[in-house]
Amino acid sequence: QVQLVESGGGVVQPGRSLRLSCAASGFTFSSYAMHWVRQAPGKGLEWVAVISHDGSNKDHADSVRGRFTISRDNSKNTLYMEMNSLRAEDTAFYYCARDRRDILTGYYDDWGQGTLVTVSS
Amino acid sequence: SSKLTQDPAVSVALGQTVRITCQGDSLRSFYASWYQQKPGQAPVLVISGKNNRPSGIPDRFSGSNSGNTASLTITGAQAEDEADYYCNSRDSIANLIVVFGGGTKLTVL
Repeated sequence: QVQLVESGGGVVQPGRSLRLSCAASGFTFSSYAMHWVRQAPGKGLEWVAVISHDGSNKDHADSVRGRFTISRDNSKNTLYMEMNSLRAEDTAFYYCARDRRDILTGYYDDWGQGTLVTVSS
Repeated sequence: SSKLTQDPAVSVALGQTVRITCQGDSLRSFYASWYQQKPGQAPVLVISGKNNRPSGIPDRFSGSNSGNTASLTITGAQAEDEADYYCNSRDSIANLIVVFGGGTKLTVL
């Protein structure tokens, strides 16, 4: 049974940093591309970043490029999101999602339950 | 990057058929996938690709595509289908970008 468990969310001041983690189990983590998707409270889904199965390819949404960095450690079955220079508009639930293949398809067969990041002074 | 457009809200009478649409240039190149999200829960995939349903998704859910429009049809809507529905696809301009529609709130009357 696939499980994705996010952690690392919390309240942080504007301009500070935070690192999110997503612990994966129930599947061969190193065989799948992974994504972060966020959702501001009461708003729609926004794609944030993708990383290929081996970490060799990655990309980020324009809204976070240069501030957020996606990474993974296949030896630990864990996905990460390093978030720097946080802004109030980054406040959202952050979900990790498993892609269907080793490279990006955009089909998310599995999602975590999300972790809430609140950027506030 | 590309943009996907959805109607913000749609309603359907119990047992009737409803179609939720998603429009965007990227859909000329890539199939959409559709996600159902109920309050306080993570999204769930209901349709992907041409018209593929994951196991556990009722067969009243189906997908179709024409030109720049993808559609999710619920045939015989049930009360438990009331939820937000989102489409997404790969971006047709940037190779590794994904785009989501703004979402459609479905109300079952």
